[in-house]
Amino acid sequence: SQELEQSPQSLIVQEGKNLTINCTSSKTLYGLYWYKQKYGEGLIFLMMLQKGGEEKSHEKITAKLDEKKQQSSLHITASQPSHAGIYLCGAGNQGAQKLVFGQGTRLTINP
Amino acid sequence: EAQVTQNPRYLITVTGKKLTVTCSQNMNHEYMSWYRQDPGLGLRQIYYSMNVEVTDKGDVPEGYKVSRKEKRNFPLILESPSPNQTSLYFCASSLQGLVPQYFGPGTRLLVL
Repeated sequence: SQELEQSPQSLIVQEGKNLTINCTSSKTLYGLYWYKQKYGEGLIFLMMLQKGGEEKSHEKITAKLDEKKQQSSLHITASQPSHAGIYLCGAGNQGAQKLVFGQGTRLTINP
Repeated sequence: EAQVTQNPRYLITVTGKKLTVTCSQNMNHEYMSWYRQDPGLGLRQIYYSMNVEVTDKGDVPEGYKVSRKEKRNFPLILESPSPNQTSLYFCASSLQGLVPQYFGPGTRLLVL
């Protein structure tokens, strides 16, 4: 079965700094999804990547999928307190029916 | 307002006492799914449904049942809850397939 490993598991950065979260898959990714979760709450969809080399941006968050489709990164520019939370990557199976998640990266932004 | 609702939000029960967690969405979505979230184990899929009367197992289906008799509802049933089912449960839905999935607010379950 597919496994996703996220790094780092937790991250503390000063407000205004840039940061990167990585997600590595044990198998080729058919679809890679990034979600954000505020502590104890439901997940919010951020972005989906499907093609090798694809890059998407939303406000100050950029996600990339490598050419081999086994690794993705999430980059936040000029971090703000509103960026704090848990970021999870998810991978869908070929039929886009089942979703497997990484363990998440807990992001803390210090003022 | 488009949303996924779950009830109850918090539940404390005892081992063996059957319970149902309801999930409802008002977006006419075909796909619905249940997940559980545990510290150190992350978010894992329990069951999913591609459409009415079509359900299938996720990665951790043991001890759970689901049904999809109507498009909007996807209840999670624990016939005989055990302490290892203590967890935070999320229901999610999407128009088709996996994205974008809209998640409910979560149900915290404690089984004593």
